[in-house]
Amino acid sequence: AQTVTQSQPEMSVQEAETVTLSCTYDTSESNYYLFWYKQPPSRQMILVIRQEAYKQQNATENRFSVNFQKAAKSFSLKISDSQLGDTAMYFCAFMKHEGAQKLVFGQGTRLTINP
Amino acid sequence: GAVVSQHPSWVICKSGTSVKIECRSLDFQATTMFWYRQFPKQSLMLMATSNEGSKATYEQGVEKDKFLINHASLTLSTLTVTSAHPEDSSFYICSAHRRQGGLYGYTFGSGTRLTVV
Repeated sequence: AQTVTQSQPEMSVQEAETVTLSCTYDTSESNYYLFWYKQPPSRQMILVIRQEAYKQQNATENRFSVNFQKAAKSFSLKISDSQLGDTAMYFCAFMKHEGAQKLVFGQGTRLTINP
Repeated sequence: GAVVSQHPSWVICKSGTSVKIECRSLDFQATTMFWYRQFPKQSLMLMATSNEGSKATYEQGVEKDKFLINHASLTLSTLTVTSAHPEDSSFYICSAHRRQGGLYGYTFGSGTRLTVV
């Protein structure tokens, strides 16, 4: 079975700073997807970024980028120029490649951006 | 973009009664729907997976007779909490997988906060 671990329960940075959230996972699959989801106080789950395991290039979405290390089974999220609206719970998630597979979530990291 | 409408957003019910939560995919066909439960300050825990027209698959430890899931059409899935008790109080979220599949194939509902008194 797959497991996802987020070792940072809480993080706090000042506005405009850069912050990196950690995520490691365990799987025997060779092809899969990895995601970062954001859950703001509204509790709506929002997709931040995704990475396909077969792609070596790290995914980037505006201020959000990942550092995907497949051999190390590591998938960290970097938020540049952090904004107050980035305050939320962030969940790392794993999904097998084939079909309508379930998402396996990490424990989450509560990120607070201070003014 | 793809939208999943989840209702109600919050509900308070008396112990022993049943509550139904609906998730509708508004602009796409959801062949598979996932139901999650989330306790305060915790992660999402998968309860069950439902495929249109077939019985739901429940995760280990989830009582299928208590949490009834129906996925009768490609746009509607329901979760009914039967004989609710205070320990069933939680935040429930659905997630729909699009018929076309693909990387952006998962859309979450806005969640339902259930309080059983």
